[in-house]
Amino acid sequence: NAGVTQTPKFQVLKTGQSMTLQCAQDMNHNSMYWYRQDPGMGLRLIYYSASEGTTDKGEVPNGYNVSRLNKREFSLRLESAAPSQTSVYFCASSEFGMGNTIYFGEGSWLTVV
Amino acid sequence: KQEVTQIPAALSVPEGENLVLNCSFTDSAIYNLQWFRQDPGKGLTSLLLIQSSQREQTSGRLNASLDKSSGRSTLYIAASQPGDSATYLCAVRLTPSRGGADGLTFGKGTHLIIQP
Repeated sequence: NAGVTQTPKFQVLKTGQSMTLQCAQDMNHNSMYWYRQDPGMGLRLIYYSASEGTTDKGEVPNGYNVSRLNKREFSLRLESAAPSQTSVYFCASSEFGMGNTIYFGEGSWLTVV
Repeated sequence: KQEVTQIPAALSVPEGENLVLNCSFTDSAIYNLQWFRQDPGKGLTSLLLIQSSQREQTSGRLNASLDKSSGRSTLYIAASQPGDSATYLCAVRLTPSRGGADGLTFGKGTHLIIQP
């Protein structure tokens, strides 16, 4: 069972470079999310998508763009990377419902130098 | 804005002890609450989910309770083992009628070490 798959797992970028984190889920979920995790700050929501074709800002959207390419895929783009974007990024997916768990990918470790 | 607090931030106990991890949240209009486990360098594994209409959930040696009115949840681990060592995260999902972003609001976690 693949669940939520993220690529790449590790990436080092130079300040100002751009890159895209890819995420795919095979559970036919409508909702997908991108979080970042930083020491002392916990996990914070960057963007989410309630369904194919829709995206909304979370708590920390500045410096990021997202695309919900289809129901399976939700990508996160850094247009001009900054050292403050050094973090671990997690993609997640869920159905919306009181009893529905949110499932997380394994994470992408990004370092901006 | 929903805020989630976990106490203690770190805990070290001998193997075999029963222990309680605490989670509090400021907005009681929650949809559900989840407890996760995170091992170093790994993703999040869902342990238990409690719906807003429920009071507790159990899975093996784990029991999670929810008191919505007081904004509190506890995770009880019975007969702790060294393999339980990890960071435990509490997260709440707001009810849709509240508006705002969907998704989970996380606490900063409790780092648990079980000494052999």
